[in-house]
Amino acid sequence: EDKVVQSPLSLVVHEGDTVTLNCSYEVTNFRSLLWYKQEKKAPTFLFMLTSSGIEKKSGRLSSILDKKELFSILNITATQTGDSAIYLCAVASNTGNQFYFGTGTSLTVIP
Amino acid sequence: DGGITQSPKYLFRKEGQNVTLSCEQNLNHDAMYWYRQDPGQGLRLIYYSQIVNDFQKGDIAEGYSVSREKKESFPLTVTSAQKNPTAFYLCASSTLQGGSGNTIYFGEGSWLTVV
Repeated sequence: EDKVVQSPLSLVVHEGDTVTLNCSYEVTNFRSLLWYKQEKKAPTFLFMLTSSGIEKKSGRLSSILDKKELFSILNITATQTGDSAIYLCAVASNTGNQFYFGTGTSLTVIP
Repeated sequence: DGGITQSPKYLFRKEGQNVTLSCEQNLNHDAMYWYRQDPGQGLRLIYYSQIVNDFQKGDIAEGYSVSREKKESFPLTVTSAQKNPTAFYLCASSTLQGGSGNTIYFGEGSWLTVV
């Protein structure tokens, strides 16, 4: 059975802290891994990862994929209250053009 | 602007009623999806369609129905058979191109509450 598992389920940190969110997967015919940020509405796209070991970076956010160990991490440095959201990990499969989502990590950043 | 439009944003339904959520996209995407999200949970796939006049059940299709008469449109009907329909519904679309080049795009979502 194809599945995506995220950890932790929730996280509370103080502004300025660095956080690491985890995503492991078992998906047949892997195509790519995607990270999204969701703030009470539609998820917004953050990163798409297809190759192992190549870090994608956008401001204070970065992500990397390990296709051998089947996981990805999303790092957020110097967190701000605006980073509070649910972070979703999804894996795209070439089988049926399916996207498999994890349950998300709920991040709360307190001042 | 290109995007996915869902309507209505908020909907109240009485028990026993069917309701239909609209989803229209102008991204020229072949594939469209409906997901359900419950509080504190991830996205669960209800139905998806890769081509006009064809669709497949996802993980939680019971109590829902869809149609795909046009490439741009993929409405979802929540029937009275769905026992616990109160949730946030997300419509999405993607291309079917091969390789690694596509992501999934989302509409703004529809909140359905059964009263």
